[in-house]
Amino acid sequence: EVQLVETGGGLVQPGKSLKLTCATSGFTFSNAWMHWVRQSPEKQLEWVAQIKAKSNNYATYYAESVKGRFTISRDDSKSSVYLQMNSLKEEDTAIYYCTAVFAYWGQGTLVTVSS
Amino acid sequence: DNVLPQSPTTMAASPGEKVTITCHASSSGIYMNWHQQKSGTSPKLWIYDTSKLASGVPDRFSGSGSGTSYSLTINTMETEDAATYYCQQCCSTPYTFGAGTKLELK
Repeated sequence: EVQLVETGGGLVQPGKSLKLTCATSGFTFSNAWMHWVRQSPEKQLEWVAQIKAKSNNYATYYAESVKGRFTISRDDSKSSVYLQMNSLKEEDTAIYYCTAVFAYWGQGTLVTVSS
Repeated sequence: DNVLPQSPTTMAASPGEKVTITCHASSSGIYMNWHQQKSGTSPKLWIYDTSKLASGVPDRFSGSGSGTSYSLTINTMETEDAATYYCQQCCSTPYTFGAGTKLELK
């Protein structure tokens, strides 16, 4: 059974940092292109970041809205993907999902940025 | 990064009725994914590469499209199909999502 479990969300003040973790099982993680997608309180889905596999040199890509502030990384030995979020803004408030090639999704973790 | 226009924004359909949801891509010649999301749950991949049904999706669903216009069709609406459907440009960045279409049961 495929499982993706996100952790690390919470309430954080503007300008602070947070790191999300997505632990996976049930599929060949090392070959999978992994993404983070977020859903705003208004229910709009937004692609955030992608990391490709080792065979693609772990290439990374970001949405313009998070470029320079967020960093995606992965640890194939732990079948996990991470999202380091710095300089958080109130508009980053959302449920953050990790997804494997958009076919498998986690349950999401809520990030609230507020003073 | 823009949001892809979808139409309608909301709609209601009776059991047995045919339903069509449309999405407009920002460029032509791309593949489109569709995701189904029910309240309080994660999105589920429903249709990929424009016209291929994801595992477990009933064959009353179909996807089509070309150029910049793509559609998801339900041949005969069933109760369990009530949900929000999002289109998504796949295969290259940015993987832009649509604004969503909320489909309700009439």
